[in-house]
Amino acid sequence: GQQLNQSPQSMFIQEGEDVSMNCTSSSIFNTWLWYKQDPGEGPVLLIALYKAGELTSNGRLTAQFGITRKDSFLNISASIPSDVGIYFCAVLRSGAGSYQLTFGKGTKLSVIP
Amino acid sequence: NAGVTQTPKFRILKIGQSMTLQCTQDMNHNYMYWYRQDPGMGLKLIYYSVGAGITDKGEVPNGYNVSRSTTEDFPLRLELAAPSQTSVYFCASSLLRGQGHHIQYFGAGTRLSVL
Repeated sequence: GQQLNQSPQSMFIQEGEDVSMNCTSSSIFNTWLWYKQDPGEGPVLLIALYKAGELTSNGRLTAQFGITRKDSFLNISASIPSDVGIYFCAVLRSGAGSYQLTFGKGTKLSVIP
Repeated sequence: NAGVTQTPKFRILKIGQSMTLQCTQDMNHNYMYWYRQDPGMGLKLIYYSVGAGITDKGEVPNGYNVSRSTTEDFPLRLELAAPSQTSVYFCASSLLRGQGHHIQYFGAGTRLSVL
């Protein structure tokens, strides 16, 4: 099936540092999403991207939808301890009246106080 | 609003036992989904439903069954539990907003071990 390549797999950073992670695909998708999963919880949507080249911010988070529609990146500025968790990219696949998400394997973020 | 509620939170099964994972949402969403998450992996779609009475297979449906008799509820059934079904199961729901805009809301998960 379709795979999303998400990198890095894990990161250890100092509190206050900026973070960057990305997600690539061999196919074109028109909707890219970034979710965060806190330990022991379900994923929560952070940012949704609908337009190629779009740059969208949500507080300290900024995500971009690649111009080729085959990639996206997520930046977190001035990291804090509560940023710890797993970040997933996802793409929306649609067809025949159904809509499904395909997820990357996630980037596990650890923040050292 | 409670959002998406999953029960139970934890369960241990013996090989060959059966169980039903419950999922209910109070947001009047028409789309509902079941995923499994294995360590170090993303979420894999098991089954989904686009409305009451309509279900379809996802990427990894083998060993599972679903039903959707109401808009609110989407139970996932394991008939003959196997160790390979040890995983964390997430239910999600969504409401299509506009053309192609589709945001999924997830429950807190059910952690299942099959021994």
